[in-house]
Amino acid sequence: ETGVTQTPRHLVMGMTNKKSLKCEQHLGHNAMYWYKQSAKKPLELMFVYNFKEQTENNSVPSRFSPECPNSSHLFLHLHTLQPEDSALYLCASSQLSRGQGEKLFFGSGTQLSVL
Amino acid sequence: AQSVTQLDSQVPVFEEAPVELRCNYSSSVSVYLFWYVQYPNQGLQLLLKYLSGSTLVKGINGFEAEFNKSQTSFHLRKPSVHISDTAEYFCAVSGSGYARQLTFGSGTQLTVLP
Repeated sequence: ETGVTQTPRHLVMGMTNKKSLKCEQHLGHNAMYWYKQSAKKPLELMFVYNFKEQTENNSVPSRFSPECPNSSHLFLHLHTLQPEDSALYLCASSQLSRGQGEKLFFGSGTQLSVL
Repeated sequence: AQSVTQLDSQVPVFEEAPVELRCNYSSSVSVYLFWYVQYPNQGLQLLLKYLSGSTLVKGINGFEAEFNKSQTSFHLRKPSVHISDTAEYFCAVSGSGYARQLTFGSGTQLTVLP
């Protein structure tokens, strides 16, 4: 079993739908992240959770709502999305190490298409 | 503020040839530098990182990178590539070493041709 598991792998939704992306890490890490990956653009950090507490929200629209019930699970709730939100959404985890070059472990992502 | 520029969006190279993927950064503070690789239909995984010390860093799968402070570069090299090295490669910089402060480049697609 891989260290960071994301479901579903692919998701197609209409602009009025509500859906959720799920991420689970089996590495015992204490930090989890959501990234957005669009074609030919740098990865965009969306949210960061340290010890289940949200520490970063990089001006993400409210139609994206994260939830971190414990240090192993992370969700991204989606509603009334726009076509420009179509992208690969990557979850990652790390072990906080006082800034000593923390290594990110990524899941395989959810490829989201908004119609 | 920090930024990363990957100068080549696509690099085609024949199998067993050497390759260099270029990365330049800008930062007002000391930096920690990383290379991540993304194979098709997978997430990113760490290839190597520079924190301090020797400017030549060796990573997995035979890759290495050299930190050049005067040229603000962190180019990735491999002396002989394989078909299995076909992937997208991302350079990243952090001023603090914290993952939440990583800034990624836009990636370089390496395609190894038979």
